[in-house]
Parts: sequence; C-alpha cells; structure tokens
Amino acid sequence: DAKTTQPTSMDCAEGRAANLPCNHSTISGNEYVYWYRQIHSQGPQYIIHGLKNNETNEMASLIITEDRKSSTLILPHATLRDTAVYYCIVRPSPYNQGGKLIFGQGTELSVKP
Amino acid sequence: GAVVSQHPSRVICKSGTSVKIECRSLDFQATTMFWYRQFPKKSLMLMATSNEGSKATYEQGVEKDKFLINHASLTLSTLTVTSAHPEDSSFYICSARVLKEDSYNEQFFGPGTRLTVL
Repeated sequence: DAKTTQPTSMDCAEGRAANLPCNHSTISGNEYVYWYRQIHSQGPQYIIHGLKNNETNEMASLIITEDRKSSTLILPHATLRDTAVYYCIVRPSPYNQGGKLIFGQGTELSVKP
Repeated sequence: GAVVSQHPSRVICKSGTSVKIECRSLDFQATTMFWYRQFPKKSLMLMATSNEGSKATYEQGVEKDKFLINHASLTLSTLTVTSAHPEDSSFYICSARVLKEDSYNEQFFGPGTRLTVL
C-alpha cells in the first residue's frame, strides 16, 4: 500500500476553513484516497474518499491533484467539535475483496475559538 | 449508518488473567472484521484480519497465541488477550466490513475498548 505523509499538527480558527494536506506520491492507479478522523478516545469516523475526481459530501470536500500525488481535505467551516486527529489513507480499490486500512500518524487538528 | 459495538468499553484486570473483548455489527452482516490496537498518542496498528468461520490472519509481529481471535458468526468477533500483562494495556478497536450490492466494500469502526492491566 502506498504511504502517506501528513503534517503532525495544525491549528484552525473556529468558523474558518481547515485545509489538511496529504502527500501520497507513490500512489498507484487503482488505489483510492480515504480520510478518517478520530476524536479523542473514540473509534475512527469515515469522512470521505476519492479516486481521482474531487469529491464533496456533507462533512467535507476532497481535492485530489491531477497527478494524484497529493490531496487536501477541506472542512469548510471548522467548529470546536472538529478537533481530532485526521488520517489520510491510501488503500486498494474498495471494490476488491482484499485491502486493509493502514493508518499513518495523521494530523492533529486543533480548532480554536 | 451501520453501527459496530464493542463490549466492554473499559476493562481493568490483574496481570496474568485473560480478557475477552466482543465486537458486534448491529444491523449488518460483516464479511470481514479487523482488530486494531492503539497506544497513547500513537496511531492505530492493525493486529489481525478475520473472516467468519476461518482462522484469523495476523500482522507481522502480533502473537496469535497471545491475542486469540474468534469470528464465530457474521455479526460477532471476539478478541481474547491471554495472560495479560501491563504492556498489553492499550485501546483496542474493531472494524467490520460489509460488501454492498454494488460490490463496494464499506468499513465501519467500533468505539474501542480501553484495557488496563494492573
């Protein structure tokens, strides 16, 4: 599985957009980019995923560069409840039977009032 | 959305005892279940993958005789930490995967179990 690189920590002001970058320069053609977050002492929560097109849902937007070597998760209006560790994961196609979610170190996002 | 539960949410035990953690998919049948452990300030580490009715596949460095996994049904997997020691104290998280009608594998995580071994 391709590895990812994320900043260790980031701060964001409440109400502003939080832009979390992820580098996955060794991603292969059939691998997807997934984002999860983990609020302290809870299980991971799915946020969004994509292959090559930008994606948006009720939680966030995912921007994937044309070469697919990096992506950015955007929380459009961060709230204090968005304070969490955000994990960017590259995994094999979810349409295959195999594939495991391997977590890197993630980015600890602190949303401040 | 699909719900995965874990029981207990928190357990404290004496060194040398065994502890069983249950993971249930409440409203769906899971084709595969995964077990992770997480130390403080660290990321989740995959321990093993289990499929219903077959032996679990353990990640490198994880002792299968230490961490017994039973996946007896499509909605229940158990992790037993045998002869627990203080270094086994950790946050254990299970995850269940379901195969949707369009062949998409969706994965959900449980809330985790905090194990403290005295």
